[in-house]
Amino acid sequence: SAVISQKPSRDICQRGTSLTIQCQVDSQVTMMFWYRQQPGQSLTLIATANQGSEATYESGFVIDKFPISRPNLTFSTLTVSNMSPEDSSIYLCSVEFQRETQYFGPGTRLLVL
Amino acid sequence: DAKTTQPTSMDCAEGRAANLPCNHSTISGNEYVYWYRQIHSQGPQYIIHGLKNNETNEMASLIITEDRKSSTLILPHATLRDTAVYYCIVRLWGDKIIFGKGTRLHILP
Repeated sequence: SAVISQKPSRDICQRGTSLTIQCQVDSQVTMMFWYRQQPGQSLTLIATANQGSEATYESGFVIDKFPISRPNLTFSTLTVSNMSPEDSSIYLCSVEFQRETQYFGPGTRLLVL
Repeated sequence: DAKTTQPTSMDCAEGRAANLPCNHSTISGNEYVYWYRQIHSQGPQYIIHGLKNNETNEMASLIITEDRKSSTLILPHATLRDTAVYYCIVRLWGDKIIFGKGTRLHILP
């Protein structure tokens, strides 16, 4: 399996600001994913981030709002830009390990005031 | 959209086997059935997956019907720590995971 950490674990932000969330994996992985989980809801896939290529965004999510970086095989960042209270969610990264299954990080809890 | 249908919630007595059903009637021949669970305030945890044969690991058993249109996750001796939302997912090998609403399992003392 893979061990995944996220920073920050939680944050409270003002509307109009941006927050960058970091995801670190203890082994090299090709595929990384970013999800959002709004209060009381299931997880929604934001984008797939493969090293060396542009992130692929799901319907309803755009790069200007959620820019993603994937500089190497163990690290990725997701930025939530120009935040509004509707962006208050848990943001989770996950990794595809040995093309068998995905493992998830602990999540970043974001509250936008 | 999720390709699976699960009951919204279920109860199970502590110490009993918890049987969680999942319908995936449109599953294609090369799609796998995966189960994850999410304990409150944590990231989803992988439980088990299978293609067409029944599978067992240290956490659970997965029973897939012969026509592959449904499956059951079995937690053989449920404990209070098994209280969680359980997600049944079908996906191609190595493909992205799309979550449905899952089943909220309550283990009763």
